[in-house]
Amino acid sequence: EVQLVESGGDLVQPGGSLRLSCSASGFTFSSYAMHWVRQAPGKGLEYVSAINSNGGSTFYADSVKGRFTISRDYSTKTLFLEMSNLSADDTAVYYCVKDLREWELLGVFHSWGQGTLVTVSP
Amino acid sequence: EIQVTQSPSSLSASVGDRVTITCRAGQSINTYINWYQQKPGKAPKLLIYAASNLQSGFPSRFGGSGSGTDFTLTIVSLQPEDFATYYCQQSYTSPWTFGQGTKVEIK
Repeated sequence: EVQLVESGGDLVQPGGSLRLSCSASGFTFSSYAMHWVRQAPGKGLEYVSAINSNGGSTFYADSVKGRFTISRDYSTKTLFLEMSNLSADDTAVYYCVKDLREWELLGVFHSWGQGTLVTVSP
Repeated sequence: EIQVTQSPSSLSASVGDRVTITCRAGQSINTYINWYQQKPGKAPKLLIYAASNLQSGFPSRFGGSGSGTDFTLTIVSLQPEDFATYYCQQSYTSPWTFGQGTKVEIK
């Protein structure tokens, strides 16, 4: 069974930084593209970032480009999201998501973690 | 960025009703549309991918159709467990974008 467990969400001040982690199990982590998707309180879903299976290609929403960095560690089967220069607009639940098929970065969000809450406030 | 417009934003329906939610893309995206179901306090779940492929675990009363710019999610006989928010999402190109969501409520 696919399991994705996010951690690292916290209350942070505007301009601050945070690193989110996602521990993956139940599938061959190295074979799948991975994503971060967020949801502000009471709002809809927003794609944040993606990384392909070999880590060689990354993608970002314009709203986070230059401030967020996605990466992955194959030895620990962990996905990361480094966030900097945070603002109130970044307040959201951040979901770690596995893509649909092996080896392909489809942008189809197949399996989701439970999410971790990031709150940016003075 | 491809805009995805979903309608309606909410609807009220009764158990047994047929429900239709539409999604329109700002440009042709072939059949690169996916649908998700989200219940309160829970993570979304992939419901339909590539316009019409039902994800394992969901019943056949859910169906998707469309190609190009116009897409439809249909629930042929609404059940109590189907009350949720539904999102469409284009996977034609990054940045992948979502519709605004449709909240299906009990009438």
